[in-house]
Amino acid sequence: GNSVTQMEGPVTLSEEAFLTINCTYTATGYPSLFWYVQYPGEGLQLLLKATKADDKGSNKGFEATYRKETTSFHLEKGSVQVSDSAVYFCALTETSGSRLTFGEGTQLTVNP
Amino acid sequence: EAGVAQSPRYKIIEKRQSVAFWCNPISGHATLYWYQQILGQGPKLLIQFQNNGVVDDSQLPKDRFSAERLKGVDSTLKIQPAKLEDSAVYLCASSFSGADEQYFGPGTRLTVT
Repeated sequence: GNSVTQMEGPVTLSEEAFLTINCTYTATGYPSLFWYVQYPGEGLQLLLKATKADDKGSNKGFEATYRKETTSFHLEKGSVQVSDSAVYFCALTETSGSRLTFGEGTQLTVNP
Repeated sequence: EAGVAQSPRYKIIEKRQSVAFWCNPISGHATLYWYQQILGQGPKLLIQFQNNGVVDDSQLPKDRFSAERLKGVDSTLKIQPAKLEDSAVYLCASSFSGADEQYFGPGTRLTVT
């Protein structure tokens, strides 16, 4: 079956540090890949997505590239802010409209 | 545009009791999802509706969980009877169609004691 593995957390960084959260996946076929973010007290929000190999998703300074050869979709941001503190989830759908399969989530805390 | 609404936001019950959660999706969204998010884990799909028909309920524990979406709009998820391991956040999401972005509600946090 499908699965998503995220780097173990939590992650604590100082403001303006570089962020990488690793995500690898197992799926048959050609999945679409997503990063969702959950701010404290709020619902899940789509942060970015990529639907085919070598696509780069980007939003709010975050980026992730769909790497089929390494089955990875690592999240990066060049300079994090305190407001980026949240839980980040990597997810996939195997085919359009199928269920989202989520990773375990990575708690990010950014200190001033 | 109003988002996905859920109620209640919090619920505490004793094991073996029953509980129901309500979800109102974004207007015009045909597809509705219920996910279970246990503390420290990612959400797991319980059931997916397309209009008022079930598309996927393969991970729904049908001996105790049930869900309905009458008239293809609002949905209710019920647990009867609850077990300690049902303590989780229950998330509702909707999308215009099954191929589109899913929008999540704030969730209902259930504690079973």
